[in-house]
Amino acid sequence: DVKVTQSSRYLVKRTGEKVFLECVQDMDHENMFWYRQDPGLGLRLIYFSYDVKMKEKGDIPEGYSVSREKKERFSLILESASTNQTSMYLCASTGLYEQYFGPGTRLTVT
Amino acid sequence: QKEVEQDPGPLSVPEGAIVSLNCTYSNSAFQYFMWYRQYSRKGPELLMYTYSSGNKEDGRFTAQVDKSSKYISLFIRDSQPSDSATYLCAMSATGGSYIPTFGRGTSLIVHP
Repeated sequence: DVKVTQSSRYLVKRTGEKVFLECVQDMDHENMFWYRQDPGLGLRLIYFSYDVKMKEKGDIPEGYSVSREKKERFSLILESASTNQTSMYLCASTGLYEQYFGPGTRLTVT
Repeated sequence: QKEVEQDPGPLSVPEGAIVSLNCTYSNSAFQYFMWYRQYSRKGPELLMYTYSSGNKEDGRFTAQVDKSSKYISLFIRDSQPSDSATYLCAMSATGGSYIPTFGRGTSLIVHP
């Protein structure tokens, strides 16, 4: 079974802090993704990566950056957290076409 | 018009009912179709995926694709309270970036 893990289930940070969200997959998938999910807005793509050190902007990259130094690991960075970044963050990796998601990180910025 | 439309519900049914969840789409290039189940405060779990048209069955779940109508369905037989969740459809075009387009999900409530 594919396993995607995320470093934290719940996180509380203060405005202005730098926040790191880590994601690891164990299926040797090349493609990895970061989404945020908000009520009524569905899943929105922040960034994705085709390969190590490769990254592409999604639909809402502002205020975020990513890092992919190893194939199995994809990190999302909030450079200076703001209250409007309070959300559920979901990491995914892709097999052929289907995506496998991690359990999610519920981030609250106060 | 959104590329993928999905009624948000909630859809409330009694235990044992047959549930039909649906999505419509506008992009005729979509060839790969997926259904996810998401429990509250959890990540989406891949239930089924199908390529092109036709049906696929897995236990109590059946996925159906009608490309001529740009319409996909997920049927749940003998629904259980544990099926209460949000169901998301997703679809991809073959080739290209493999980024799926998601529906916003339908909330299903199965009451005992």
